[in-house]
Amino acid sequence: AQSVTQPDIHITVSEGASLELRCNYSYGATPYLFWYVQSPGQGLQLLLKYFSGDTLVQGIKGFEAEFKRSQSSFNLRKPSVHWSDAAEYFCAVGSGNTPLVFGKGTRLSVIA
Amino acid sequence: TAGITQAPTSQILAAGRSMTLRCTQDMRHNAMYWYRQDLGLGLRLIHYSNTAGTTGKGEVPDGYSVSRANTDDFPLTLASAVPSQTSVYFCASSDSSGSPLHFGNGTRLTVT
Repeated sequence: AQSVTQPDIHITVSEGASLELRCNYSYGATPYLFWYVQSPGQGLQLLLKYFSGDTLVQGIKGFEAEFKRSQSSFNLRKPSVHWSDAAEYFCAVGSGNTPLVFGKGTRLSVIA
Repeated sequence: TAGITQAPTSQILAAGRSMTLRCTQDMRHNAMYWYRQDLGLGLRLIHYSNTAGTTGKGEVPDGYSVSRANTDDFPLTLASAVPSQTSVYFCASSDSSGSPLHFGNGTRLTVT
């Protein structure tokens, strides 16, 4: 069965610092991978997705993620964090035949 | 604005009562989903529908039922609510299973 692990429950970074949120997945076939962001009281918004091809994908709000098959990882990165990036971030895995499975999320706090 | 509409926004429900959470999308997406979000557990799939007229069980289907009479609507029914069903419920849709999801803003349900 497919699964997603986000090892970090909560991360705090300083504004302007770089960010990396970890995501590891377990999936038998070539996965579709996603990162979503959730602001308080809101639904989830898609940041970026990987289906195939270039393993480094660019998303909205300056985020990027790199698919590493050998490590079963899809880590999310941003070179310089803004206070408005404080939110909950979810990694998800799926395929063309199955609904997405989500990780438990990583809460990002940004300090001045 | 196109998207997913969930109703109600929030509800307090007495244990043992029934309730239907409504979800309507205007994007003509084939697939629709219900997830529940609980602190520390992320999003867990309750039920899904790959196309009108079909439904499937997710990770946590017990105590819930769904129907998909047409493309746009995907109501979630709690026949006899229990306190453990206190949660935030998100409806989502996508072009097909495994494609990026579009989320509603959620329904916060408290069962007392």
